[in-house]
Amino acid sequence: DGGITQSPKYLFRKEGQNVTLSCEQNLNHDAMYWYRQDPGQGLRLIYYSQIVNDFQKGDIAEGYSVSREKKESFPLTVTSAQKNPTAFYLCASAGGQSYNEQFFGPGTRLTVL
Amino acid sequence: AQSVTQPDIHITVSEGASLELRCNYSYGATPYLFWYVQSPGQGLQLLLKYFSGDTLVQGIKGFEAEFKRSQSSFNLRKPSVHWSDAAEYFCAVGGGSGTYKYIFGTGTRLKVLA
Repeated sequence: DGGITQSPKYLFRKEGQNVTLSCEQNLNHDAMYWYRQDPGQGLRLIYYSQIVNDFQKGDIAEGYSVSREKKESFPLTVTSAQKNPTAFYLCASAGGQSYNEQFFGPGTRLTVL
Repeated sequence: AQSVTQPDIHITVSEGASLELRCNYSYGATPYLFWYVQSPGQGLQLLLKYFSGDTLVQGIKGFEAEFKRSQSSFNLRKPSVHWSDAAEYFCAVGGGSGTYKYIFGTGTRLKVLA
């Protein structure tokens, strides 16, 4: 089955620690995205990547970093510089025959204690 | 500036009643328009999309939406709501530039009364 997987589903970290969220897709999509979701604020774009080894900042990139070494993978690191990291994080991909339709993963809920 | 507005944060309807969720957009180019649905703690699922052609589009789960260019709107409708439709609904606009970059509205949370 083709799709997007995110792991883990729940993540707890202590304040000041970096944490990496995983996103993998087997849809052969070129583009991948990371969004942050907070109650009442919709989805805000953190980073996106259109091709391997290239990525662009979204609207709220400060305190986050990404890499795109493989087409299938787009991990997101939440660094200690992110002031309020507790949120629901969604990964998405787009491309191929679906043309401009984004497919979403199930999300990771990060809680910083 | 590009933006998507969903003016209703919460909507409550009775099961069996009709539903309309509003979406207005501001976008410089020809818009590609989408409606997604999200159940609590889950990812987003595409309900329907509009790229071109017939301005009334049909989606999954009995939903439809109408693109009105003159009003910059893409409202989502369903003739008869089921209790399982309770969720959050997001309108999005994007496309055209090749970046596949979307702008999302802030969402409308639907509650269905039995």
